[in-house]
Parts: sequence; structure tokens; C-alpha cells
Amino acid sequence: DAGVTQSPTHLIKTRGQQVTLRCSPKSGHDTVSWYQQALGQGPQFIFQYYEEEERQRGNFPDRFSGHQFPNYSSELNVNALWLGDSALYLCASSFDPDTQYFGPGTRLTVL
Amino acid sequence: QQQVKQSPQSLIVQKGGISIINCAYENTAFDYFPWYQQFPGKGPALLIAIRPDVSEKKEGRFTISFNKSAKQFSLHIMDSQPGDSATYFCAASTLPASKLTFGTGTRLQVTL
Repeated sequence: DAGVTQSPTHLIKTRGQQVTLRCSPKSGHDTVSWYQQALGQGPQFIFQYYEEEERQRGNFPDRFSGHQFPNYSSELNVNALWLGDSALYLCASSFDPDTQYFGPGTRLTVL
Repeated sequence: QQQVKQSPQSLIVQKGGISIINCAYENTAFDYFPWYQQFPGKGPALLIAIRPDVSEKKEGRFTISFNKSAKQFSLHIMDSQPGDSATYFCAASTLPASKLTFGTGTRLQVTL
């Protein structure tokens, strides 16, 4: 049973560019959450998708947007990248009301 | 506003010893408290979790102690092993499946 998968593994962008990160949830999971983890910090909640709708959002600007597809996979889009967006972006999926399972993350570097 | 405070920032324990990591929260609406283990270059992996209707939960060498009145909870790792060397994060959320608020992490090193 495959766990949560994310692509790409690593990504390098320059300031002002746009990026799209992808996540496939664990089999049977219908809820996807995205987190940003800066180096040496705990993950910070960006938003959560359920039934293709954004259900919750953290304290992130509108430059961060997302989408969930009918097969429950999800994308995270970040526009107008700046240096501070460099981080590990984590996707977590869930079906139970509590347990969230994380993927390996996408390491984004903005130059 | 940091809603979950975690200490210590780093911890060195000898093999076979007990590792203890503490967390304190502010939001009394939190009702789910998981601990995650993260190895370098990997995503966080769920280790153990507790809900506030119990004061302690044990799974193998890992135990969560929960003090609702003090708004504190802790992770105890018994018989610590070098393979336990990782960063540990406490977290909190409201059910169901709400956003997780993480602590700042504790880097644990278990020496031989």
C-alpha cells in the first residue's frame, strides 16, 4: 500500500517565478493538507482540501493557492516566489477524523 | 502567535536511558495531541497520539503523559536507542481532522 507521494523531490526557482507542487494521498484518504517547514522549524499549516474545496486555511498570503482533483490528489501553487518561500513543503493525507500521514516533502529553493 | 511550546530544543541521551520531551499549549479547544518523528530529508511520521480523556498512553517504548489542568503533555522514550536519534515534534489540533499546530521540535541524539 503506497503512502503519501509528492513530486518533485527537489526544485530550484528564481524570485518572481511560479511553482506547482503535487501530492497523491494515501489510498483511501480523501483529505489533503499542505504544510510549509522552514529549516529548523516545525511545519506550518497552509491549507486543507476536502471534496475538492478548501476547507481550512492558515496564515499564508493569497500567493499560495491549491486544488484538489476528483481522485483526491492535490496541487499547491505559489506565485511571485521570494526568498522566504524556500522551505520543505509537506503534504499530509487523512481519512480518519484525526490521523494525518505525511509525505516525504518537496524541497523548494528560491534564488 | 506560538500556540505550542516545546522543550528542550536539543537532547543528548545515552543508550538505554530515558528521553523526555515536554510541550505546553495555550488553546483549550485543542483535543488531539500527536507526536511526530522526523529523520533528515524525510517527512514527519506519526509516533503516538493522545486525546484529553486519558492521562497516559503507552505504545511499546513510547509513552505520552497528559496534564489537562496544566495544559502540558510530554513524550517519554524508554530504553532509548541510537536509531531513535531524530527530531521530534509535538502537535495539537481540534477534531475532526483539523489543522495541526506544531511545536518547534527537539533534536534527540542517543549516544552509545
